[in-house]
Amino acid sequence: IVLTQSPGTLSLSPGERATLSCRASRSLSSDYLAWYQQKPGQPPRLLVYGASSRATGIPDRFSGSGSGTDFTLTISRLEPEDSAVYFCQQSGRSPLTFGGGTKVEIK
Amino acid sequence: QLQLQESGPGLVKPSETLSLTCTLSGGSISTNNYYWGWIRQAPGSGLEWIASVYDSSSTYYNPSLKSRVTIFVDTSKNQISLKLSSVTAADTAMYYCARHVEAYNVWSGFYVWGQGTLVTVSS
Repeated sequence: IVLTQSPGTLSLSPGERATLSCRASRSLSSDYLAWYQQKPGQPPRLLVYGASSRATGIPDRFSGSGSGTDFTLTISRLEPEDSAVYFCQQSGRSPLTFGGGTKVEIK
Repeated sequence: QLQLQESGPGLVKPSETLSLTCTLSGGSISTNNYYWGWIRQAPGSGLEWIASVYDSSSTYYNPSLKSRVTIFVDTSKNQISLKLSSVTAADTAMYYCARHVEAYNVWSGFYVWGQGTLVTVSS
């Protein structure tokens, strides 16, 4: 399954809402969609799994939604520390695959 | 607190076999009931899943790499290991090990990640 993320880059101001899209090449159970945040020089950090379940310790400004082929990660009120690349990942079919990422820049 | 630490040679020559090790601390692989995976990230690129393992009888491989990859666990050392044969420059990447999200379920994301080990393939 190919995951296509858009936009490639998102440039927003603190306090604004960020909406990141992940589109799958074929329908996927929401159980099998995860989102990660990666900052420079760091490994990815799990934000959301099962499309909408936040991982332990993740602020509630991060939320995931979607089903079928269209999934969304929303950051409701951007903080400066949210500057990072965000990846979606599917585990519904082998091979497990990742999207190409969306870079979020904070103005 | 579960922590993963990858280790590797840093530099490997083309055509050689790359051997990587991931050591678990803060827990035991033998009692953890999770799948463990390897993922890599080429410089400036996205993420690629390589393989995952539960035990010697349960392994999953990315078909694009399967012919060159072996993944296994050593419970006595609390380690997850990866071997990648016939490496080329295209295998240059940061290699991460990670624990899957759900117990007993390889069809889940990756919850805990190591810091990664950088591997460069060059003569």
